Amino acid sequence: ETGVTQTPRHLVMGMTNKKSLKCEQHLGHNAMYWYKQSAKKPLELMFVYSLEERVENNSVPSRFSPECPNSSHLFLHLHTLQPEDSALYLCASSQEWGSATGEQYFGPGTRLTVT
Amino acid sequence: AQSVAQPEDQVNVAEGNPLTVKCTYSVSGNPYLFWYVQYPNRGLQFLLKYITGDNLVKGSYGFEAEFNKSQTSFHLKKPSALVSDSALYFCAVRSPTDSNYQLIWGAGTKLIIKP
Repeated sequence: ETGVTQTPRHLVMGMTNKKSLKCEQHLGHNAMYWYKQSAKKPLELMFVYSLEERVENNSVPSRFSPECPNSSHLFLHLHTLQPEDSALYLCASSQEWGSATGEQYFGPGTRLTVT
Repeated sequence: AQSVAQPEDQVNVAEGNPLTVKCTYSVSGNPYLFWYVQYPNRGLQFLLKYITGDNLVKGSYGFEAEFNKSQTSFHLKKPSALVSDSALYFCAVRSPTDSNYQLIWGAGTKLIIKP
């Protein structure tokens, strides 16, 4: 595996379910990100981890809970979601957090549908 | 408030013709500017960036972008479009006054290249 991988690619869950999204980066990067992508809207940054420490939490509802057990893995735990949470959830990584010039590398995303 | 605008939801171009995808920004200080592309069912891929120096920057797949400080724009261009260029294009900006250099994203422009 190379780059950034995400599983599952598609997820349908009921509002009372609990599920987790997984992200793995094979680039040796120190920073990892969760984004929410909705149609025709800018990407919404949800969480940032730098060296396994959460450094950003952009007013995300508590029904989303991130976890970063090591610098290569990132999880997003989901519980009691709402239909408006249906979106594409993207994981990204970068060499370091807080770089002005560095680019981010994205996984293919998990398409989440909340019924 | 700092922002990025991509004024066109969709751009249609015939194969072989030149293409332009527009981006304007409003940030404090001299910006760091990026373009990313998202092919169907894929994550975002970095295309090119402007940090400093020559206003015309070249990137992947034959794309280039021109930084225009007076017009606060960073339009993406390609001299001859390919059908395979059809994708969703995102402009993003970092402000040097943001201590975390968080990316500010546009809403994306869907580029359709017709044979």
